[in-house]
Amino acid sequence: GAVVSQHPSWVICKSGTSVKIECRSLDFQATTMFWYRQFPKQSLMLMATSNEGSKATYEQGVEKDKFLINHASLTLSTLTVTSAHPEDSSFYICSLPSGGRHEQFFGPGTRLTVL
Amino acid sequence: AQTVTQSQPEMSVQEAETVTLSCTYDTSESDYYLFWYKQPPSRQMILVIRQEAYKQQNATENRFSVNFQKAAKSFSLKISDSQLGDAAMYFCASKNSGNTPLVFGKGTRLSVIA
Repeated sequence: GAVVSQHPSWVICKSGTSVKIECRSLDFQATTMFWYRQFPKQSLMLMATSNEGSKATYEQGVEKDKFLINHASLTLSTLTVTSAHPEDSSFYICSLPSGGRHEQFFGPGTRLTVL
Repeated sequence: AQTVTQSQPEMSVQEAETVTLSCTYDTSESDYYLFWYKQPPSRQMILVIRQEAYKQQNATENRFSVNFQKAAKSFSLKISDSQLGDAAMYFCASKNSGNTPLVFGKGTRLSVIA
């Protein structure tokens, strides 16, 4: 399967600051990437679909102006949490579809802690 | 809209025994796919097994197999000869065809007792 990396793996920031999370596909080109959020002891919830060269599609209840997504190339999507607050503390995971096999390749995730 | 329901928040099994994790789903699509993912403490999502809805034959992957009951919209996972390394969160998920996202159930935490 495709190798997907995320950077950073863990970040701590102060309330009110912005944090950028990168999702890279190391060996697979993806016109679409997905961003999920996982709160402690909960399941993965889709936040948005990142589309290369166009605007992201956000799920209901996810603020597009707070969670900025940029998919500038076929191998890189970034999620920027703007003006982060403690309630944004979560585990953020990206994935990309595999195409014909209909499975998804997941990044290792980024743990965000907002103080 | 798709929904996935896992009704067992926690399960436990003795090492070398067999355990079955339950999952039901709902979708209005005729072309869809079902998955079981494992999430160990590292939190890396690992694909355990996948099932195409159009296939009647139940998928198997070594010690892992599914019981896919399409009419009942049920998709259970059976783990045989359980090993300590099987201890993890298990998520049932579904997706429609195309570049569509996964919809996850709430997960089942599996403990393996030595």
